[in-house]
Amino acid sequence: AQKVTQAQTEISVVEKEDVTLDCVYETRDTTYYLFWYKQPPSGELVFLIRRNSFDEQNEISGRYSWNFQKSTSSFNFTITASQVVDSAVYFCALLPPLTQGGSEKLVFGKGTKLTVNP
Amino acid sequence: EAQVTQNPRYLITVTGKKLTVTCSQNMNHEYMSWYRQDPGLGLRQIYYSMNVEVTDKGDVPEGYKVSRKEKRNFPLILESPSPNQTSLYFCASSAQLVTSTDTQYFGPGTRLTVL
Repeated sequence: AQKVTQAQTEISVVEKEDVTLDCVYETRDTTYYLFWYKQPPSGELVFLIRRNSFDEQNEISGRYSWNFQKSTSSFNFTITASQVVDSAVYFCALLPPLTQGGSEKLVFGKGTKLTVNP
Repeated sequence: EAQVTQNPRYLITVTGKKLTVTCSQNMNHEYMSWYRQDPGLGLRQIYYSMNVEVTDKGDVPEGYKVSRKEKRNFPLILESPSPNQTSLYFCASSAQLVTSTDTQYFGPGTRLTVL
């Protein structure tokens, strides 16, 4: 069975602090995809990154970086020099390989609510 | 502009009164799906569709129906809504996540309250 665990329910930091959001996943598949989404207070879901299981290179995009470690089944997300606009709920998600029926079913973690205080 | 639209954005209804939440995408995506988001439970898939006339159940399909008569539209139908279907609903579309570098686009969400 596939499962995504985001153990941190809520995190509160002060602006300019670095913060890491943890994501641990479970799957028996060797091929899979991992995602991060951001849900700001306005409610929409914003895609941040997609990573496939064969690419363990870390990725950096501006103040955002992602650390994918297959050995620990983790795909952690770090925000450097956090800003108030980073306040949101962040979801990690796992996409197993296509089933015979072709389902592309994202399995989401329960999310981490990040509050960045001025 | 690439987008997924949902209507209505907010709806308050009563138990048993049939309703439809529409979803439309303008990206010619093959894949569309519906999720519901509930506090403490995260997002769970209700139904998905790989293409026109091809639909299948997700994790929580009970009480819902869908149809995919056209590529761009994927309405969610609640034949007899009940209070436990009070939730925030998201429609999503993609060009097939595993075969392209495309992303999964989400609609703005529909907040449904069933009294």
